[in-house]
Amino acid sequence: NAGVTQTPKFQVLKTGQSMTLQCAQDMNHNSMYWYRQDPGMGLRLIYYSASEGTTDKGEVPNGYNVSRLNKREFSLRLESAAPSQTSVYFCASSEAPRGNQPQHFGDGTRLSIL
Amino acid sequence: AQSVTQLGSHVSVSEGALVLLRCNYSSSVPPYLFWYVQYPNQGLQLLLKYTTGATLVKGINGFEAEFKKSETSFHLTKPSAHMSDAAEYFCAVRDFSGGGADGLTFGKGTHLIIQP
Repeated sequence: NAGVTQTPKFQVLKTGQSMTLQCAQDMNHNSMYWYRQDPGMGLRLIYYSASEGTTDKGEVPNGYNVSRLNKREFSLRLESAAPSQTSVYFCASSEAPRGNQPQHFGDGTRLSIL
Repeated sequence: AQSVTQLGSHVSVSEGALVLLRCNYSSSVPPYLFWYVQYPNQGLQLLLKYTTGATLVKGINGFEAEFKKSETSFHLTKPSAHMSDAAEYFCAVRDFSGGGADGLTFGKGTHLIIQP
């Protein structure tokens, strides 16, 4: 019972490089989310996908793009990485948008931009 | 926009003592409320949630929380702390009233330290 799986777990990039973070869920959830976690800031929403075929901006979308590849997979892309994007990135899923069911989180991707 | 305030970035209690972690939210319309726990180098795990109904909710690992609408609060408690409770705790809200982005709004987190 994997739940939400994120790859890779760790990555170091140089400024200006590009990278895609992968996320897959096996719970047949409709909605998926990307957050970043920074020390003392809690988690902040980057992008979300309420259902397959839709994506929307969250609180901190600048510098990122997303793709909802199918119902299971939701990827996050950094086109030109910047040191300010050094963070821990979490993917989450839930049964439906704006519902009372909780979000389920992956173990995170720890990303460092040099 | 919603905001969530967790009072105290660090809370230290002795093993066996009461744990109280505070959370206040800003919305005039009560949102859905959640507490999550994060152990080092791991993702977030749901402790408990409040959506409707009974205002005292019980969660995993002996934790419970009480929703108080008049105080816009959702404080987390545990009667007797255990060493294994040492972790980061996050309060989060989800606005179901429409408009704005979906997703959770998190507090900044409280690091719980258990003294032997």
